[in-house]
Amino acid sequence: DGGITQSPKYLFRKEGQNVTLSCEQNLNHDAMYWYRQDPGQGLRLIYYSQIVNDFQKGDIAEGYSVSREKKESFPLTVTSAQKNPTAFYLCASSPQQGWTYGYTFGSGTRLTVV
Amino acid sequence: AQSVTQLDSHVSVSEGTPVLLRCNYSSSYSPSLFWYVQHPNKGLQLLLKYTSAATLVKGINGFEAEFKKSETSFHLTKPSAHMSDAAEYFCVVSDGGNAGNMLTFGGGTRLMVKP
Repeated sequence: DGGITQSPKYLFRKEGQNVTLSCEQNLNHDAMYWYRQDPGQGLRLIYYSQIVNDFQKGDIAEGYSVSREKKESFPLTVTSAQKNPTAFYLCASSPQQGWTYGYTFGSGTRLTVV
Repeated sequence: AQSVTQLDSHVSVSEGTPVLLRCNYSSSYSPSLFWYVQHPNKGLQLLLKYTSAATLVKGINGFEAEFKKSETSFHLTKPSAHMSDAAEYFCVVSDGGNAGNMLTFGGGTRLMVKP
């Protein structure tokens, strides 16, 4: 079955470390997105990519980086510059006409700084 | 520009009673509207969507929503709540205008179901 796979489900990071969250989709979707979710809050857009080898900053890109070398993959790196990285991270994808199709979401990665 | 407002951050109902989650939107074009559900520590799952076809949209798990252009609303309803409906619900708008493919999410409504 097609879908989006995020890994790992839980991730622990020490202060000052970079960590990379994986997001893979086999839906043949062109666009992919990363969101951050904090307790009791909605979704905030970190980065998005409409096509391979291109991506744009979202509302809260500082302290994060991404790459889009393959259509299927959109990894997110949380750098040491991100001062408060503890959160739930969601990856999503959509076809080109995502505004009528909607997004398909992964099951999320919970990142905790220890 | 597109925006969406979920009018209640928390809704509490008893099992077996009706559910109403309210959503108002703003859009410069003909919008697409969605409702997503999120259970704890899970991703978001699409409940239903409106894309300029029938104004009454039926979704999964007995939920439905009605698009009312005159009221700029897209409220989510269910005749009888089940314990398993307890979750966070997000109303989402997109109009394909200046925002392109981007969806705009509401702040979410947490639905609590009492036994």
